[in-house]
Amino acid sequence: EAQVTQNPRYLITVTGKKLTVTCSQNMNHEYMSWYRQDPGLGLRQIYYSMNVEVTDKGDVPEGYKVSRKEKRNFPLILESPSPNQTSLYFCASSSYGQAWSQNTEAFFGQGTRLTVV
Amino acid sequence: GENVEQHPSTLSVQEGDSAVIKCTYSDSASNYFPWYKQELGKRPQLIIDIRSNVGEKKDQRIAVTLNKTAKHFSLHITETQPEDSAVYFCAASNLDAGKSTFGDGTTLTVKP
Repeated sequence: EAQVTQNPRYLITVTGKKLTVTCSQNMNHEYMSWYRQDPGLGLRQIYYSMNVEVTDKGDVPEGYKVSRKEKRNFPLILESPSPNQTSLYFCASSSYGQAWSQNTEAFFGQGTRLTVV
Repeated sequence: GENVEQHPSTLSVQEGDSAVIKCTYSDSASNYFPWYKQELGKRPQLIIDIRSNVGEKKDQRIAVTLNKTAKHFSLHITETQPEDSAVYFCAASNLDAGKSTFGDGTTLTVKP
């Protein structure tokens, strides 16, 4: 089954304690992206990756890090979480690594609800 | 950077009526415009998309139109059903650069 898997689904942590949210896809997609979703603000892109070892900042990258060492995995790292990073996080993948690729549907993970106290 | 505005923020219609949600974007480099449906507590799911070289696309009760000159695109849902109730997001993406900007969402309620 084609899917994007995020872990954990729920996480409560304390300010300053480093954490990693994992994201894995089994569709051999070139493109992966992280979003945060806050009430009334839609989804805002944090970081994205067009392919292995290629990552770029989205609209809200401050306080986050990512890595893309292999095609299937794209972890999101919060080195020193703060309460304003409390949010619902989604990972997504798609095959639009090439312009005008026929298949550009983005598949989203099930979400990670993070609370930083 | 890209700025996407989505209207209205809430929309209530009677079952069987049509619903229209509109988005405007600012960056002429954007060339891919997907629409997502998100039910309560679920992940966003693509319902329809359109590329900048196409003016209109239809899939059963759902259609999307794009006006590149005016930089706006719209989602049209006909013969609405209660199960269409959800939050709908538009997005503007640059397939060459990889950036993607979403609208703030529209909460659609279809009353039986």
